[in-house]
Amino acid sequence: DVKVTQSSRYLVKRTGEKVFLECVQDMDHENMFWYRQDPGLGLRLIYFSYDVKMKEKGDIPEGYSVSREKKERFSLILESASTNQTSMYLCASSWAGGANQPQHFGDGTRLSIL
Amino acid sequence: GESVGLHLPTLSVQEGDNSIINCAYSNSASDYFIWYKQESGKGPQFIIDIRSNMDKRQGQRVTVLLNKTVKHLSLQIAATQPGDSAVYFCAEIKTGANNLFFGTGTRLTVIP
Repeated sequence: DVKVTQSSRYLVKRTGEKVFLECVQDMDHENMFWYRQDPGLGLRLIYFSYDVKMKEKGDIPEGYSVSREKKERFSLILESASTNQTSMYLCASSWAGGANQPQHFGDGTRLSIL
Repeated sequence: GESVGLHLPTLSVQEGDNSIINCAYSNSASDYFIWYKQESGKGPQFIIDIRSNMDKRQGQRVTVLLNKTVKHLSLQIAATQPGDSAVYFCAEIKTGANNLFFGTGTRLTVIP
């Protein structure tokens, strides 16, 4: 089974802090993704990466950056946390494949910015 | 029991009955669709997928139906069990793109 592990289940930070969310997958997947999930808005894509050191903006990249130094690890960075970034953050990974492949998710990090 | 996805975000069914969860997708160029199940406190879990060259696919107790004419997707769960209680999301993607677009989900509650 695919295992996507997010380093923290719950995290509380203060406004203005730099926040790092870490994600590791054990299936040698090429693609990795960061989403945020908010009530009534569903899942929205922040950034994704299709290879080491590669990144692409998703639908809502403002206020975030990412890092992919190793294939198995994808980090989401909140450069200067704000209260509107309080949310559930979900990491996912998938094969690149010839055709579309399903994304497999971690259990999420619930981040609160005070 | 049956839902209409975005217009009816909750669905309650009796244990043992069949459930139908509906989803209307927006992009006619989408050609790959996935159903996810999300239990409380967990991330979305892959259930079943279907490509646009098919109109039906079956898994264990689940069936996905795709009607491209009206851009409609449904998930049928046979003999619904309490463990099926969760939020169900449909997601769509266009070939060559990486973005999965998710619906807002339908909450399924199974009544014992």
